[in-house]
Amino acid sequence: DTGVSQNPRHKITKRGQNVTFRCDPISEHNRLYWYRQTLGQGPEFLTYFQNEAQLEKSRLLSDRFSAERPKGSFSTLEIQRTEQGDSAMYLCASSLRRGVSSTDTQYFGPGTRLTVL
Amino acid sequence: TQLLEQSPQFLSIQEGENLTVYCNSSSVFSSLQWYRQEPGEGPVLLVTVVTGGEVKKLKRLTFQFGDARKDSSLHITAAQPGDTGLYLCAGVPGAAGNKLTFGGGTRVLVKP
Repeated sequence: DTGVSQNPRHKITKRGQNVTFRCDPISEHNRLYWYRQTLGQGPEFLTYFQNEAQLEKSRLLSDRFSAERPKGSFSTLEIQRTEQGDSAMYLCASSLRRGVSSTDTQYFGPGTRLTVL
Repeated sequence: TQLLEQSPQFLSIQEGENLTVYCNSSSVFSSLQWYRQEPGEGPVLLVTVVTGGEVKKLKRLTFQFGDARKDSSLHITAAQPGDTGLYLCAGVPGAAGNKLTFGGGTRVLVKP
């Protein structure tokens, strides 16, 4: 399977703990996106990378959240001092952007469901 | 802030009936994508529309992008229980934007 993969699929943690999620994009894709989806809502953008550079962060991404893509391949999303409001599905997507003025289609992974108790 | 509104929020129909889901915005999008999402899974891409007025067909699904690239619709003919799911529209704002702006989704239930 050469799609986007995410690990773990489910994470249950206690409030105040740190958690880290991993995303492996489609191999030739240069862009990687993180979204958050709460129950009954559409996904909301968190941040994205082009290769290893983090180019945009949403205001939703508080200082407790950090994302990295050190080698331009896989990415990690860490949440420090988790709160109950962080409970959500965290989705990763990747795409291939060929040029500045082109559009690209984003392909999503299965998501990581986080539950903060 | 780009805002995409989907309607209806929920649709329950019998197998064999037709349905239409709408996605509307006051803003222009360079492209618009439709996804279907099953519970506990990530969205799966159905189609991307780019050109104003474009119509794409995927078996029993017909997608249309408005002439002004501000709205889109998804029409399903002769719905089947396998069409059950959350349908999401998502737009890329502006000339060549980056992040997707999603609608709130339409939950479709097709009863056998």
